[in-house]
Amino acid sequence: DIVMTQSPDSLAVSLGERATINCKSSQSLLYNSNNQNYLAWYQQKPGQPPQLLIYWASSRESGVPDRFSGSGSGTDFTLTISSLQAEDVAVYYCQQYYSTPCSFGQGTKLEIK
Amino acid sequence: QLQLQESGPGLVKPSETLSLTCTVSSGSISSSNYYWGWIRQPPGKGLGWIGSIYYSGITYYNPSLKSRVTISVDTSKNQFSLKLTSVTAADTAVYYCARARGGHYYYMDVWGKGTTVTVSS
Repeated sequence: DIVMTQSPDSLAVSLGERATINCKSSQSLLYNSNNQNYLAWYQQKPGQPPQLLIYWASSRESGVPDRFSGSGSGTDFTLTISSLQAEDVAVYYCQQYYSTPCSFGQGTKLEIK
Repeated sequence: QLQLQESGPGLVKPSETLSLTCTVSSGSISSSNYYWGWIRQPPGKGLGWIGSIYYSGITYYNPSLKSRVTISVDTSKNQFSLKLTSVTAADTAVYYCARARGGHYYYMDVWGKGTTVTVSS
């Protein structure tokens, strides 16, 4: 199974500042035949289900604010929130879907400094 | 807008069978290119994929749970279900149903609100 490791485990950022969350996979998530990285990002607020933010490593889901962006390829990926808003306080998870079973990172808790 | 809603007992005794149903509304479970899955989250922990099903009835399970899991679909009711046998305290979690786009283990774009299941005597 592919192991997903996120860093840091928790992060405190000031309002309006940039937040960066990293995700590393134990093997490459890049499928050469279509040049796609099989990596998604989710946001989970307290008491709520996860919400899809990003898929194919950098494609933003419909309705997701453009301050959220995903980047990276192969085994190293990043979720960036360009200007942190109060409503962005949540736990963020990466997920690989390169191979079954799909697997998630352990989560990164984002708070306001 | 597509909605998913989990239902089932919130308390299950050890060694018994956990049974949950997910009802799909404002959309068809028989849509092509979508798969229907179950994910769980133990208290204070991360997410774990249990398995998924296509409307045709083809199932896919996490090997770590395969011996205890059955997922089924009822297209006439627009529902799919989860059965997990021989439960222990380790199966205590919030159970989510979700729609996966493009593949049975792909990213999940619509989630139910989740239902808490506690395994205790």
